[in-house]
Amino acid sequence: NAGVMQNPRHLVRRRGQEARLRCSPMKGHSHVYWYRQLPEEGLKFMVYLQKENIIDESGMPKERFSAEFPKEGPSILRIQQVVRGDSAAYFCASSPRGGEAFFGQGTRLTVV
Amino acid sequence: AQSVSQHNHHVILSEAASLELGCNYSYGGTVNLFWYVQYPGQHLQLLLKYFSGDPLVKGIKGFEAEFIKSKFSFNLRKPSVQWSDTAEYFCAVNTGNQFYFGTGTSLTVIP
Repeated sequence: NAGVMQNPRHLVRRRGQEARLRCSPMKGHSHVYWYRQLPEEGLKFMVYLQKENIIDESGMPKERFSAEFPKEGPSILRIQQVVRGDSAAYFCASSPRGGEAFFGQGTRLTVV
Repeated sequence: AQSVSQHNHHVILSEAASLELGCNYSYGGTVNLFWYVQYPGQHLQLLLKYFSGDPLVKGIKGFEAEFIKSKFSFNLRKPSVQWSDTAEYFCAVNTGNQFYFGTGTSLTVIP
């Protein structure tokens, strides 16, 4: 059973471009979480999804950020028109209902 | 609103010192509790978990945590820390509907 897979591991984007981060949850996991971690800071919750549903997006910036978890395929975190402040590590985690969360290796986004 | 509070943001200890990191949560229902560790440059890994049963839970690397339901707490302990324990520690709660993480405690162990 492969772990949570995130790709790419490193992503460099110029200001104004779009960043697309992918997360494939562990087999059998229906809950996906996205977190952002800035240097020297803790994990900041962004969004919680189940298949085809956004359950809680209270941590997502209102503009430029969106997330989806389609019926087939990975969960996608999309950042449009990236700015320098979006540079961070983005972690995805998946869990079964009520169970422990397993984290991916993260995507380190650098906006230049 | 549900939340997880970690009161110690930065902890610095000498090797062999004892460790206790506080974690409190606010949720009235049944919860599953976790501590995760993030070593420098790495992703989060599970340290230990509590679902039910004995409230004193033993995890990897000599860590343990005690669930005190009346205090809504799940403090992490280790009798004698090592330099290799230098990391970020996160407390987490799963209510069955969602995971909630604390903001983390940075532990630095001085050789």
